[in-house]
Amino acid sequence: DIVMTQSPDSLAVSLGERATINCKSSQSLLYSSNNKNYLAWYQQRPGQPPKLLLYWASTRESGVPDRFSGSASGTDFTLTISSLQAEDVAVYYCQQYYNTPRTFGQGTKVEIK
Amino acid sequence: QLQLQESGPGLLKPSETLSLTCSVSGGSISSSSHYWGWIRQPPGKGLEWIGSIYYSGNTYYNPSVKSRVTISVDTSNNQFSLKLSTVTAADTAFYYCARELWRYYFDQWGQGALVTVSS
Repeated sequence: DIVMTQSPDSLAVSLGERATINCKSSQSLLYSSNNKNYLAWYQQRPGQPPKLLLYWASTRESGVPDRFSGSASGTDFTLTISSLQAEDVAVYYCQQYYNTPRTFGQGTKVEIK
Repeated sequence: QLQLQESGPGLLKPSETLSLTCSVSGGSISSSSHYWGWIRQPPGKGLEWIGSIYYSGNTYYNPSVKSRVTISVDTSNNQFSLKLSTVTAADTAFYYCARELWRYYFDQWGQGALVTVSS
């Protein structure tokens, strides 16, 4: 199985400040035939199901604010919230879809400082 | 707007079989672009993918539960189902159904159903 490791487990950020969440995969998620990283990011607000934020590591889902962005470098992936809003309080998960079984990171909890 | 809704018993005894159904509305389960999956989340913990199915009946499962899981599809009623046999307390979780773009990411999720296994 591909192991997805997120860091940190939690972080507290002031409103309007940047939040950065890291996700590292145990093997490459880059499919050479299309040069795409098979990684998605989800947001799970308290009491809600997960919501898709980004796919192919950096493509925003329709309707997702542009303060959310994603990047990739080898097996390291980053989700950035450029200016934290109150509604961004949630747990964020990365997920690989390169291999079966599909696997998720353990989650990163984002709170307001 | 696509909606998914899980339904089924919320309380089971150890060794029983978990059965959940996901009803899809606002779209067709017979979409050629989508698989339909089940993901679970123990209370306060992370996400675990269980398995997914295509409208034709093609399935793929997580090996960790493959011996106990069956996912089936009912295109005439626009729904798909999960059966997990011989449950234990470790199977206590919120069970989510979700739409999967081809065999990639999950772009629409149900609200989730809590299933508790307790004697």
